[in-house]
Amino acid sequence: GENVEQHPSTLSVQEGDSAVIKCTYSDSASNYFPWYKQELGKRPQLIIDIRSNVGEKKDQRIAVTLNKTAKHFSLHITETQPEDSAVYFCAASIGTYKYIFGTGTRLKVLA
Amino acid sequence: DAGVIQSPRHEVTEMGQEVTLRCKPISGHDYLFWYRQTMMRGLELLIYFNNNVPIDDSGMPEDRFSAKMPNASFSTLKIQPSEPRDSAVYFCASSLVSGGAGEQFFGPGTRLTVL
Repeated sequence: GENVEQHPSTLSVQEGDSAVIKCTYSDSASNYFPWYKQELGKRPQLIIDIRSNVGEKKDQRIAVTLNKTAKHFSLHITETQPEDSAVYFCAASIGTYKYIFGTGTRLKVLA
Repeated sequence: DAGVIQSPRHEVTEMGQEVTLRCKPISGHDYLFWYRQTMMRGLELLIYFNNNVPIDDSGMPEDRFSAKMPNASFSTLKIQPSEPRDSAVYFCASSLVSGGAGEQFFGPGTRLTVL
């Protein structure tokens, strides 16, 4: 069946360094790839998304890249800050309206 | 808009009891999703609705789980009878879909503990 693999499961970086989280998906028909951030005890919230007709998208310190051929997409956070510490989930659309989520990456930014 | 509203926020019950979780989506959204989150299985889609009609319930774990959406502003997820392995955080999310998949807005979740 369809799945999304996410790596690494945990990531520790020093404040100010960059963080990269990678996902692969199995359904070649997937065309929408959101990234959600979930702080402890809170709801997942969208931080950035990308559609399959775009290779890269940036929003301030956050960027997402997509390689459709390899079925890979990645989240890049530059100049990390302590408030970036959270669990990050990637997802890929399946069919038109639903997602499959990755297993999550716990990012810890060390001050 | 207040966002997606879920109640209760916390529920503690005993094995065998019926549990009902409630969700009010964002006004005007036409898709509603129920997810379950656990450490072991991550975020799993249980069921989703379009214009109050269930479209895909393939994620519902077993017959003990049922979901309804009687109108555009209310949905319930019921577990009867509940079991300890149902302990999880249950999220409701809604979306306004135009031109394909888009952002899903999550509610605050209901933390369910079954003793």
